[in-house]
Amino acid sequence: EIVMTQSPATLSVSPGERATLSCRVSQSVSSNLAWYQQKPGQAPRLLIYGASTRATDIPARFSGSGSGTEFTLTISSLQSEDFAVYYCQYYNYGPPWTFGQGTKVEIK
Amino acid sequence: EVQLLESGGGLVQPGGSLRLSCAASGFIFSNYAMSWVRQAPGKGLEWVSTISGNTRTTYYADSVKGRFAISRDNSMNTVYLQMNSLRAEDTAVYYCAKKDDPGVYMWFAPWGQGTLVTVSS
Repeated sequence: EIVMTQSPATLSVSPGERATLSCRVSQSVSSNLAWYQQKPGQAPRLLIYGASTRATDIPARFSGSGSGTEFTLTISSLQSEDFAVYYCQYYNYGPPWTFGQGTKVEIK
Repeated sequence: EVQLLESGGGLVQPGGSLRLSCAASGFIFSNYAMSWVRQAPGKGLEWVSTISGNTRTTYYADSVKGRFAISRDNSMNTVYLQMNSLRAEDTAVYYCAKKDDPGVYMWFAPWGQGTLVTVSS
C-alpha cells in the first residue's frame, strides 16, 4: 500500500510570498502525481498532473516538481484567492487512487 | 464546458440505503471513466469507486466493497452510486469526478459540487 505524506499540515504565508508544499510517497511513483486545490465549501480543482504539468487555466504562479518519492508544489507569489487546502494524489493504472492528507495554506 | 451535477444525498439511518446520481454534460460521456470521491466532515479526500466508460470494469475502495455499487447509463449521461448497509463513518460529501487523462492514468477533473450524505439515527 502506498502512503502519501504531505507537509507541513498548515503553512502560514503572507500575500505575495512564496509557498512551498511537500508530498512524500512511500515508494517510487515515477511522475504519477497530481495536485488539487480546495477552497472552503468548494469541490477540489485540478492544478497539476504528471508532477509538473499545469492543468487548463491554472496560473503560471503554480508549479510542480519532483519525481520518484519527493514532490513539491510551489506557489510563487501568493494571491488572496490561493489560500486553500492542497492535496496531492498518486495515480497508476489501477486502484486504489490515493490522496495525501492535505496542507492548509493560511494567511499569516 | 464540462459539468457534473450530483444529487440524491440526505439523512439516512445506519443500515439504510441511498442512491446518488451524477448527471454529466459537455463531453462524450461514454469515452471516460467516472468516479466517486468522498470527504468526511473536516477530513481529507478518499477515493470510493470508479466505473469504466464502457461499464465493463468497476473498482471499489476496501472500505465500501460489498456495500456500494457503481453503475452508469451512457444513454442518460449519468453515473450512480448505490449505497447499502450505511454506517456512521460513511457520512461525507460525495463528489462525482471525471477521469481527465485520455490514456490509462486516473487523475480527476473536473469535480461536481458534491452531495452530502449523513448517516445518523
